[in-house]
Amino acid sequence: DVKVTQSSRYLVKRTGEKVFLECVQDMDHENMFWYRQDPGLGLRLIYFSYDVKMKEKGDIPEGYSVSREKKERFSLILESASTNQTSMYLCASTTGTYEQYFGPGTRLTVT
Amino acid sequence: AQRVTQPEKLLSVFKGAPVELKCNYSYSGSPELFWYVQYSRQRLQLLLRHISRESIKGFTADLNKGETSFHLKKPFAQEEDSAMYYCALSGSGGGADGLTFGKGTHLIIQP
Repeated sequence: DVKVTQSSRYLVKRTGEKVFLECVQDMDHENMFWYRQDPGLGLRLIYFSYDVKMKEKGDIPEGYSVSREKKERFSLILESASTNQTSMYLCASTTGTYEQYFGPGTRLTVT
Repeated sequence: AQRVTQPEKLLSVFKGAPVELKCNYSYSGSPELFWYVQYSRQRLQLLLRHISRESIKGFTADLNKGETSFHLKKPFAQEEDSAMYYCALSGSGGGADGLTFGKGTHLIIQP
């Protein structure tokens, strides 16, 4: 089974803090993604990566950055957290055969 | 720009009744369409995709290019079908550049 893990299930941070969300997949997938999931808005793509050290902006990249130093790990960074970044963050990976495998999510609260 | 529309935020039906979750899309090329499901306290997972033309857990979905729709149907709803359902679209990137999701429909099956 494909396993996508995320470093934290719940995270509480203060406004202005730098936040790191980590994602690891164990199936040697080339492509990895970060989405945020909000009630009434569905899932929106923040950033994705198709190779080590490569990154592409998704639909809502403002306020976020990413890092992919190793194939299995994809990090989402909030340089200066704001309250409007309170959300559920989902990581996913795929080989490009269309099915995306999702992690359990990190519920981030920014106070 | 590609777009996925799920007109119903909430759909409540009785056990044994037919279910139809609506999905319409906007895309200029030939899209790949998917339904993802998220059960309570579980991660998001693929339910079915139009290219495989499978029936999963009794659900089917037919891509209607004329009406740009991909509605999800099940003839007899079961209580375990209660979940959040997302329709998603993959464009020319074959999934490697992320999915565009609808806002989701919360399906509740009443006993």
